[in-house]
Amino acid sequence: AQSVAQPEDQVNVAEGNPLTVKCTYSVSGNPYLFWYVQYPNRGLQFLLKYITGDNLVKGSYGFEAEFNKSQTSFHLKKPSALVSDSALYFCAVRDKGNAGSARQLTFGSGTQLTVLP
Amino acid sequence: DGGITQSPKYLFRKEGQNVTLSCEQNLNHDAMYWYRQDPGQGLRLIYYSQIVNDFQKGDIAEGYSVSREKKESFPLTVTSAQKNPTAFYLCASSPGAVSGNTIYFGEGSWLTVV
Repeated sequence: AQSVAQPEDQVNVAEGNPLTVKCTYSVSGNPYLFWYVQYPNRGLQFLLKYITGDNLVKGSYGFEAEFNKSQTSFHLKKPSALVSDSALYFCAVRDKGNAGSARQLTFGSGTQLTVLP
Repeated sequence: DGGITQSPKYLFRKEGQNVTLSCEQNLNHDAMYWYRQDPGQGLRLIYYSQIVNDFQKGDIAEGYSVSREKKESFPLTVTSAQKNPTAFYLCASSPGAVSGNTIYFGEGSWLTVV
């Protein structure tokens, strides 16, 4: 079985400060990892993903995430937060072993990020 | 523009009624999905389809039905058997069911039971 944990329901950060949204995962094999962002009353927007290669992945809107296999983590980061980054963020994982199985994308429960002006 | 279109954005259902949510994509994606989102929870998979004329149940398929007669369309019917249907429903698609492919989402539909 695979699972994702986002240990913080809410993260507050001041505008201009760095932000981190945490994600840890559990899979039986090697993972594919994704981050999405959701604004109120909207669908999810894809930010970035880790497939293989460099552990530091850069994505949309200045976000990046670092894959850490030993800590089974994939934390989302941004060097300087903007008020417009305030949204709900989801981490998701899929086991590479389930190549033929479309269903095996598991989402975390989400972290509400609030950037304070 | 390429994308995934869900309609209607807001839908109200009376007790005992079936309702259908529409999902259309012009991305030429093979795989399509329906997720349900409840407040404070992550997304839960209802149904998915990897190819036309084929679909599989997800984790919470009871009380829902789907069809995939065309590549670009994957409508979801919420039947009267679904006892707690009030939620935000998200349709999604991906180029295929390969694990590394990104899943892209529509803007969602709110369903409320009145």
